[in-house]
Amino acid sequence: NAGVTQTPKFRVLKTGQSMTLLCAQDMNHEYMYWYRQDPGMGLRLIHYSVGEGTTAKGEVPDGYNVSRLKKQNFLLGLESAAPSQTSVYFCASQIGRFREQYFGPGTRLTVT
Amino acid sequence: ELKVEQNPLFLSMQEGKNYTIYCNYSTTSDRLYWYRQDPGKSLESLFVLLSNGAVKQEGRLMASLDTKARLSTLHITAAVHDLSATYFCAVDLGGNQFYFGTGTSLTVIP
Repeated sequence: NAGVTQTPKFRVLKTGQSMTLLCAQDMNHEYMYWYRQDPGMGLRLIHYSVGEGTTAKGEVPDGYNVSRLKKQNFLLGLESAAPSQTSVYFCASQIGRFREQYFGPGTRLTVT
Repeated sequence: ELKVEQNPLFLSMQEGKNYTIYCNYSTTSDRLYWYRQDPGKSLESLFVLLSNGAVKQEGRLMASLDTKARLSTLHITAAVHDLSATYFCAVDLGGNQFYFGTGTSLTVIP
């Protein structure tokens, strides 16, 4: 049981480049989330999904897109990276409402 | 906009001492979560508090929720070095919208 995994672990992008972050969970959880964590701040919700084929915006969705074509995977895309998107990105999954979230190991992204 | 404030932001305490971390939030919610994060690591769930007056305990940590005061506390009893980490509270605003506090960085000194 791997839990929540994220790919890649580190990435450096140039301004304007695009990339996709992959989150995978093997716990059959319905809900999945993407957060970003910046120094001195808590986690901020980017997008989330309450089930396969559904996505919704969180607190800071601008500049990101997501897709959940399969229940176990939640993809986060940056179409045109900006330095302001330099951050650590965490994916999380949750089996249902009112339960704890399980977090992946994080992806450290630097945009130069 | 929901604001979640933790204090203190930084806490240095001696082993064996007790202390409390506070989490205040600005709008109505009766669901609050506590997480722990070690440096360079991911977050680990500590407690899920789902109603007013909820109290949960695990080892040297005890969390409580007062929804009327919009306040949760994380109490540390007889701190040990292994508790050094950053602790986050997170409020569930409903509709799968979670708001995290800025975190409390705890250092336990031998």
